[in-house]
Formats: sequence, C-alpha cells, structure tokens
Amino acid sequence: EAQVTQNPRYLITVTGKKLTVTCSQNMNHEYMSWYRQDPGLGLRQIYYSMNVEVTDKGDVPEGYKVSRKEKRNFPLILESPSPNQTSLYFCASSTRIPRGLSNQPQHFGDGTRLSIL
Amino acid sequence: RKEVEQDPGPFNVPEGATVAFNCTYSNSASQSFFWYRQDCRKEPKLLMSVYSSGNEDGRFTAQLNRASQYISLLIRDSKLSDSATYLCVVKRGNDMRFGAGTRLTVKP
Repeated sequence: EAQVTQNPRYLITVTGKKLTVTCSQNMNHEYMSWYRQDPGLGLRQIYYSMNVEVTDKGDVPEGYKVSRKEKRNFPLILESPSPNQTSLYFCASSTRIPRGLSNQPQHFGDGTRLSIL
Repeated sequence: RKEVEQDPGPFNVPEGATVAFNCTYSNSASQSFFWYRQDCRKEPKLLMSVYSSGNEDGRFTAQLNRASQYISLLIRDSKLSDSATYLCVVKRGNDMRFGAGTRLTVKP
C-alpha cells in the first residue's frame, strides 16, 4: 500500500529539548515536503526536497532543519523547540515535476501534533 | 494578502442541499489547481483536480476561471459524509499553496 508514514503522531515536550519527526514514503517519490497547519492560516510549507541531498526553504523555515540522505526519508528536526512551534505537522511526497508539467498532487502523511510547553 | 483566499465558513446545510465554495488566487503563473478534503484532525486528501474546461466527478463539479483567477467547487445532493473542510490548492511547478479551507457541515 502506498503510504507516507510520520512518527510520532503526537508529542508533548518542553522548550529547548531537541526533537525529530520522521517521515518515510514507499512510493519512490523524488519530491518531499513538510508543512505546518495552524488555525486560520492553512498549510504553510517549512522545507522541501527535490531529491536526495537537495533541500530548500519553504515559507516558514525558521527554527527547523531537514535532511535527505535517502530517497524514502525526510526527517524534520527542531533543534531547540519553542512554544510557537506548537502545531499540526504534515509530511507529503509526490513525483518530481518535469519541466512544463505541474499536475501531480501530493500524498500526505497522517500528521504529527506537536505541543511545546 | 494571502496567495490563496477562501471563505472560511462554516457552511451549515441540510442533507440534499447544493453548496458552492469559491477560491481566488493571486499568482497568475499558477499552473495546476486542486480541491483537497480534510476531515477533522486528519491529513488532506485529494478530492479532484480542476481544469479550465471544468470537470465533474459524481456529485462534485469543479470550475476554473484563469482570467479571473477564480476556482469553484459545487457539491450537489449533499450527504452527511461530505462534512469536512475543503482546501483550495494552487500549484506552480513543485510549489503548492493552500487556502485556509472552507468548513462544511451537512446536517440531517
């Protein structure tokens, strides 16, 4: 079954304690991205990756890091979490878009609800 | 100004009603358009793509007006199971922009 898997699904932690949210996809997708979703703001992109070892900032990258050492995995790292990073996080993947085409939707993971106290 | 704007609702409609959602986008270079559905505390799931010629999938009809930069979704004969938040999504290359969503509640 085609899947994007995030872990953990829920996490409550304290300010400053480093955490990692893992994301793995089994569809051999080149493109992966991380979003956060906050009430009234919709999904905002944090970071994305076009392929292995290729990552770039999205709209709200501050306070986050990512890595793409393998095609299937795209972890999101919060080195020093703060309360304003309390949010619902989604990982997504899709096939990479060839030049001139743009109609591939993204597959989303189930989400990770982070609470930073 | 947000790049993708939607009426947040909520829309509360009786079963069987027809309901329409609208969405506007600001970047004329946007290439692809989608409607996603998101149930409470769940991940967004693709409902349908939106084409300039308009497209229909059962009770759902999507329309795109590139000149006005406007996208719509029409749901006919609403079911209780249609209750969800509907996200308008525009895409340019790999860059996806999401609206904040329109919440729909269908009541018996």
